[in-house]
Amino acid sequence: DAGVTQSPTHLIKTRGQQVTLRCSPKSGHDTVSWYQQALGQGPQFIFQYYEEEERQRGNFPDRFSGHQFPNYSSELNVNALLLGDSALYLCASTLAGGNYEQYFGPGTRLTVT
Amino acid sequence: GDSVTQMEGPVTLSEEAFLTINCTYTATGYPSLFWYVQYPGEGLQLLLKATKADDKGSNKGFEATYRKETTSFHLEKGSVQVSDSAVYFCALKSGLNTGFQKLVFGTGTRLLVSP
Repeated sequence: DAGVTQSPTHLIKTRGQQVTLRCSPKSGHDTVSWYQQALGQGPQFIFQYYEEEERQRGNFPDRFSGHQFPNYSSELNVNALLLGDSALYLCASTLAGGNYEQYFGPGTRLTVT
Repeated sequence: GDSVTQMEGPVTLSEEAFLTINCTYTATGYPSLFWYVQYPGEGLQLLLKATKADDKGSNKGFEATYRKETTSFHLEKGSVQVSDSAVYFCALKSGLNTGFQKLVFGTGTRLLVSP
């Protein structure tokens, strides 16, 4: 049973560029959340997708957007990259409703130069 | 809003020493509480959890008790090993009444265990 997978592992972009990160949830999960973990900090919630819609959003600007596909996989898009967007981006999956555990992927390390 | 505060690191211990990492929270109602561990270059792994007051979560020798009266969830281990060196995150699950829950994390505490 595959866990949560993310791609790519590492990414280097230039200020002003756009980036797309990808996540495949754990088998059987239908809800995907994205978190940003800056160096030396705890993960910060970006948004959550269920049934292909954004259900919750954290305190992040509109430059951060996402998508969920019918197979429950998800993408995180960041436009007009800033140096401060450099971070580890974590994807977590779970089942909607109830008190189910979130399973995290290994993350994508984004460096903006 | 909901928040988690945990002790600053790094915490430096010798092998077989006793470990305590303090964690307190602020939340509406009684959220589920978690400890996650992050090894270098990796994502987060759930270490243990507690879903209601006075519950004790335990795993791999680590323990934490959900204390409603002090809004705390301190992590303890009786005898640490070098392999326990990692960053530990305390977290709560927010949004219990909405059906769509998110995790709120503390800033993390780095543990360094020397032989």
